[in-house]
Amino acid sequence: QKEVEQNSGPLSVPEGAIASLNCTYSDRGSQSFFWYRQYSGKSPELIMFIYSNGDKEDGRFTAQLNKASQYVSLLIRDSQPSDSATYLCAVTWNFNKFYFGSGTKLNVKP
Amino acid sequence: NAGVTQTPKFQVLKTGQSMTLQCAQDMNHNSMYWYRQDPGMGLRLIYYSASEGTTDKGEVPNGYNVSRLNKREFSLRLESAAPSQTSVYFCAGRDGGLAGQYEQYFGPGTRLTVT
Repeated sequence: QKEVEQNSGPLSVPEGAIASLNCTYSDRGSQSFFWYRQYSGKSPELIMFIYSNGDKEDGRFTAQLNKASQYVSLLIRDSQPSDSATYLCAVTWNFNKFYFGSGTKLNVKP
Repeated sequence: NAGVTQTPKFQVLKTGQSMTLQCAQDMNHNSMYWYRQDPGMGLRLIYYSASEGTTDKGEVPNGYNVSRLNKREFSLRLESAAPSQTSVYFCAGRDGGLAGQYEQYFGPGTRLTVT
């Protein structure tokens, strides 16, 4: 059973702060890692993917991957109220099956 | 482009009834997926189709069947609905292959209630 674990939250941060979201996974064979954002009642949309150890930056978002410790994180700098959503972590080892965590709810307070 | 579309948006079934959830995409995706999302449990893969003409089981396939009718369409059938199948169902498409094309594009979802 491949497991992906996330803290369900809610994680509350003030506007302009850094939000840090974490995800751990059980399968050491996992190859690629994804962060999706899901607004309430909507479908998930991809924010970032990462497959190499280290950091990957895209605008206000930074994904961090540590395969030895089996965790992946997402940092959101200068958090905005519009970032308030549930963030889903997903992993795959063959691009056929994707395993999702249960998501972390983020609240950014104005 | 409409992207990934799903019908119906909402459905209420009685236990034992059958129905088919429809999914279509106009993004030329090779791979298509069906997920269910229950409160607090994230997305779980039901079935996937890596390419036209192939289908395979995901994490939670029991009680479901799928058909990849052609490259555009991937349907999910519940033969005898049970209350445990009350959920939000998402269809997704992806270009396929290992290089690039990492993103899954999700449809708007079907909210299914089984009473």
